[in-house]
Amino acid sequence: KNQVEQSPQSLIILEGKNCTLQCNYTVSPFSNLRWYKQDTGRGPVSLTIMTFSENTKSNGRYTATLDADTKQSSLHITASQLSDSASYICVVFAAGNNRKLIWGLGTSLAVNP
Amino acid sequence: EAGVVQSPRYKIIEKKQPVAFWCNPISGHNTLYWYLQNLGQGPELLIRYENEEAVDDSQLPKDRFSAERLKGVDSTLKIQPAELGDSAVYLCASSPGTANTGELFFGEGSRLTVL
Repeated sequence: KNQVEQSPQSLIILEGKNCTLQCNYTVSPFSNLRWYKQDTGRGPVSLTIMTFSENTKSNGRYTATLDADTKQSSLHITASQLSDSASYICVVFAAGNNRKLIWGLGTSLAVNP
Repeated sequence: EAGVVQSPRYKIIEKKQPVAFWCNPISGHNTLYWYLQNLGQGPELLIRYENEEAVDDSQLPKDRFSAERLKGVDSTLKIQPAELGDSAVYLCASSPGTANTGELFFGEGSRLTVL
C-alpha cells in the first residue's frame, strides 16, 4: 500500500534554532517527492520537488534531502524564524498506471520567541 | 501573475442545504484539482481534471458531490445536500501540463461549516 509517514507529528523550537523533519514513504513506482509549507488558514505552498536522481535541494533556509534507497526524506530548517510556524507536508508522486499524489499528514512546527 | 482564486472563502450553511465553490486556476494551467482537508489532516483528492476531462474522480462521493470544468478553465464543486461531516476546507489547485508531475499551486481554500 502506498503510504507517506511523517515525524514528529508536532515540534516546538525556539527562534533561531535549527530543526529537521522526517518523511518515510512506501510508494512504488516512485516519481518525485515534494515538501509543502501550509500556514494556518492558507493553502499549501511548494518548497521543493525532488526526483529520483536528486539527493539534496535547497530553497533559502530550507534544505530537503532524499535517499531513494531507504525511501527517506528530510527537511532541514536553518536559523528558524517565527514565520516558519506552519504545517510541513511531505508528498510523493506515484507513477505507473495509477498515477497520484500520496500525501503525508504533516508535521506541525511552532517557533517560539 | 495572479494565483489560484477561490470563492467563497467561508461558508456556513445548515445541513441538507446545497453549497457551491468556485475556482479560477492560474492562466494556462491545464490540470485542476479539488481537495478536501480536515483539521490536522493532509489534503485528500476529490477530483482531478486535465483540461475539461475528469481523469480521476474515484474519491468523489458522487451521491452528493458534483464538479464541472466547462471550457477547461474555471471549475465549480457542488454539494447537495450537505451533511455535518462535510465541514472542512475545500482546496483548489492547478498545475501546468497534464502529466500530474508538475508543481501544484493552491488557492486559499473555501472553509465550509455545516450546522
